[in-house]
Amino acid sequence: DARVTQTPRHKVTEMGQEVTMRCQPILGHNTVFWYRQTMMQGLELLAYFRNRAPLDDSGMPKDRFSAEMPDATLATLKIQPSEPRDSAVYFCASGLDQSGATNEKLFFGSGTQLSVL
Amino acid sequence: ILNVEQSPQSLHVQEGDSTNFTCSFPSSNFYALHWYRWETAKSPEALFVMTLNGDEKKKGRISATLNTKEGYSYLYIKGSQPEDSATYLCALGNQFYFGTGTSLTVIP
Repeated sequence: DARVTQTPRHKVTEMGQEVTMRCQPILGHNTVFWYRQTMMQGLELLAYFRNRAPLDDSGMPKDRFSAEMPDATLATLKIQPSEPRDSAVYFCASGLDQSGATNEKLFFGSGTQLSVL
Repeated sequence: ILNVEQSPQSLHVQEGDSTNFTCSFPSSNFYALHWYRWETAKSPEALFVMTLNGDEKKKGRISATLNTKEGYSYLYIKGSQPEDSATYLCALGNQFYFGTGTSLTVIP
């Protein structure tokens, strides 16, 4: 049963600490998205990769957030230093974007619940 | 970042009622419109993807229409059931910019 795997499921940390969230996309998918769930904005797009290349990270605070895909099976989202306002659920999603065709649908992971004290 | 708006923000209906809600988006440079269903404590799941003006999609009691010229899509639920209670999200384009969703509660 193919699924997007996110780790950790829950993370509690103190302000100023580095946080790393990991995502394993579904095998064969070539797009990865990072979203943050907020009360005001619903699912806020942070970063978007296609074939491991970052295509859009305009929604991500650049001073403290970074997103990478070291290989096709791993995407990471890092926050350094973390702040209480970063507390949220962070979702990763993957999809298959075939050149010239519409990205049919995204499959979401279960999310990482981050609490920064 | 594209501006995707959904209305209403929340909705309460009685079991058996039919309902609908709206997703509005910029009509220029349209590429695709997606609908997702998000149940509490779960992850969003895809319902439909629509690309052509006039598209209509149906899945059981749920259907959606698309008007790319005027920039809106409607999601309809016929004969709402308690298990339809969820947040319904629309997303625009290949970058999947999501709206803030419509939270539907179906009262038994």
